[in-house]
Amino acid sequence: GNSVTQMEGPVTLSEEAFLTINCTYTATGYPSLFWYVQYPGEGLQLLLKATKADDKGSNKGFEATYRKETTSFHLEKGSVQVSDSAVYFCALYAGGTSYGKLTFGQGTILTVHP
Amino acid sequence: NAGVTQTPKFQVLKTGQSMTLQCAQDMNHNSMYWYRQDPGMGLRLIYYSASEGTTDKGEVPNGYNVSRLNKREFSLRLESAAPSQTSVYFCAHGRTSGDLLLGEQYFGPGTRLTVT
Repeated sequence: GNSVTQMEGPVTLSEEAFLTINCTYTATGYPSLFWYVQYPGEGLQLLLKATKADDKGSNKGFEATYRKETTSFHLEKGSVQVSDSAVYFCALYAGGTSYGKLTFGQGTILTVHP
Repeated sequence: NAGVTQTPKFQVLKTGQSMTLQCAQDMNHNSMYWYRQDPGMGLRLIYYSASEGTTDKGEVPNGYNVSRLNKREFSLRLESAAPSQTSVYFCAHGRTSGDLLLGEQYFGPGTRLTVT
């Protein structure tokens, strides 16, 4: 079946530090890949996505590249801010008979200190 | 709010009580979903509905029922709540064509449920 594995957290960084959150997946075919972010007390919102191999998704200074050879979609940001403190979820959509169902990783808590 | 309204925001139930979580979306999307979020487990799909009048089980359906009342509304019912159902529940919606997701899923703000 399909699965997503994220690096274990929590991750604690100082402001302006470099961020990497690892995400690897298992899926048949060619899934679409997503990063969702959940700010405290809120629902999930889409951060970025990539639909085919070698695509790079980017938004708000965050980037992730769809690497089919390593089945990975790692999230990076060059300089984090306190406002980036949130839970980050990697997810995949396998298409086919899924009726839009997403498979999520377990989430990574990021805390950024001033 | 991603075009999604969820009620209530918080609820405390005693074991054995029942309740219905309400969800409504205003983006005219055909597919709707209910997820639960538990620490260290990400989001797991409880039920989904590909269109009005159809529902199907997700990964963790036991102890839940759903109703797709119309295109806008998708409710989740706990008939006899158990402590294992303590969780945060999210409703989501998305546009699908056949069984293909077009774009992203949009999530509501969540309902935090505690069963004692």
